[in-house]
Amino acid sequence: EIVLTQSPGTLPLSPGERATLSCRASQSVSGSYLAWYQQRPGQAPRLLIYGASSRAIGIPDRFSGSGSGTDFTLTISRLEPEDFAVYYCQQYGSSPPLTFGQGTRLEIK
Amino acid sequence: EVQLLESGGGLVQPGGSLRLSCAASGFGFTSYAMTWVRQAPGKGLEWLSAISPSGNSRYHADSVKGRFTISRDNSKNTLYLQMNSLRAEDTAVYYCAKNLAEGQPAYDYWGQGTLVTVSS
Repeated sequence: EIVLTQSPGTLPLSPGERATLSCRASQSVSGSYLAWYQQRPGQAPRLLIYGASSRAIGIPDRFSGSGSGTDFTLTISRLEPEDFAVYYCQQYGSSPPLTFGQGTRLEIK
Repeated sequence: EVQLLESGGGLVQPGGSLRLSCAASGFGFTSYAMTWVRQAPGKGLEWLSAISPSGNSRYHADSVKGRFTISRDNSKNTLYLQMNSLRAEDTAVYYCAKNLAEGQPAYDYWGQGTLVTVSS
């Protein structure tokens, strides 16, 4: 089972700033099959990025994903108020279980 | 418009059973693998179970293997999760989710979730 470790656990930033979230895998993620999700309080998760760097339909271009192997990054170029939420990475390059990271909470500074 | 509507959650005693349903609409249900993911109160996401479009292939997390069973009825566009021998640690919001595409089991649509509470 691939374990995903996200850092930092909490990231305090201000609107307009740049956010960089990290996801590190315990072993290489095949095919860069890594996704990022955003979850706002009381809502279901929303797919942001799949295949490490492809934006899902309707996702603003301030969200970008990068990385390969064991190290992946989600970058939000200029934070909007609605971006303050919890972010999860998920790998789907191996046989099940398709694991999630523990999450990074992006909070207003 | 893609919609996933879960139902069947509620309060159940330890050792009891529940069956969750997820009614799908707005897309070709028979062409997509489907998944259940849960989230314990205040915790992160946990992948639980997945099923192929035909229903012939099924996968379960070790934490629920032997107790939970995923299934689908393609004639009714409905996904199910049969949960037996429930434990307090199964208390969570349960989400059904649609796979993005064949070979891309990221989840592009999610239901609103249904709460399961296991308590005496």
